[in-house]
Amino acid sequence: DIQMTQSHSTLSASEGDRVTITCRASQSINTWLAWYQQRPGKAPKVLIYKASTLQSGVPSRFSGSGSGTEFTLTISSLQPEDFATYYCQQYNSYPLTFGGGTKVEIK
Amino acid sequence: EVQLVESGGGLIQPGGSLRLSCAASGFTVSRSYMGWVRQAPGKGLEWVAIIYSAGDTFNADSVKGRFTISRDIPKNTLFLQMNSLRADDTAVYYCARASTNWLYFDFWGQGALVTVSS
Repeated sequence: DIQMTQSHSTLSASEGDRVTITCRASQSINTWLAWYQQRPGKAPKVLIYKASTLQSGVPSRFSGSGSGTEFTLTISSLQPEDFATYYCQQYNSYPLTFGGGTKVEIK
Repeated sequence: EVQLVESGGGLIQPGGSLRLSCAASGFTVSRSYMGWVRQAPGKGLEWVAIIYSAGDTFNADSVKGRFTISRDIPKNTLFLQMNSLRADDTAVYYCARASTNWLYFDFWGQGALVTVSS
């Protein structure tokens, strides 16, 4: 199984900050990676797929990069609605696996 | 408008069975890849099962032999039959549509809570 590791379980940041969330795969997944945002009590919402492609309707302040085993999600200027938990997911092979999540909280 | 509405969650004793339903609208379930993802209280996301448009199914090892994903094509509905339930199956279960031919989930339902407890 491919393990997905998000190194920070929590990140503290202020509105307007640039935030970078990292995700590491235990083996190469090419660019078969998606990022999701989950607000409390809500279902996840996809932000990025194929490591760097922005899902339709997602604000351009979100961007993704990486390939192989190292990936990042960047929020260029944090907005109030961006305080949430972010998950990466690999879809290179079964079982599909998610990272443990990174909660972006208000500093 | 794409919509997924789960139902069938609730409190069930260990060893019991439960069937979750997910009614879809705005698209055709049989032409899509559909899956279930669960989230234990206060925990992260865990993929459970997926069904391809052609009907092939895949399950996580943690539910293999106990859970079955299926669909009713005329009713445009996805199901998850859960048998031999255990306490560690307690979670919110999300129905989700996977992007065509790719295995990330581009649309999610609101979730159904399943609590396994005596």
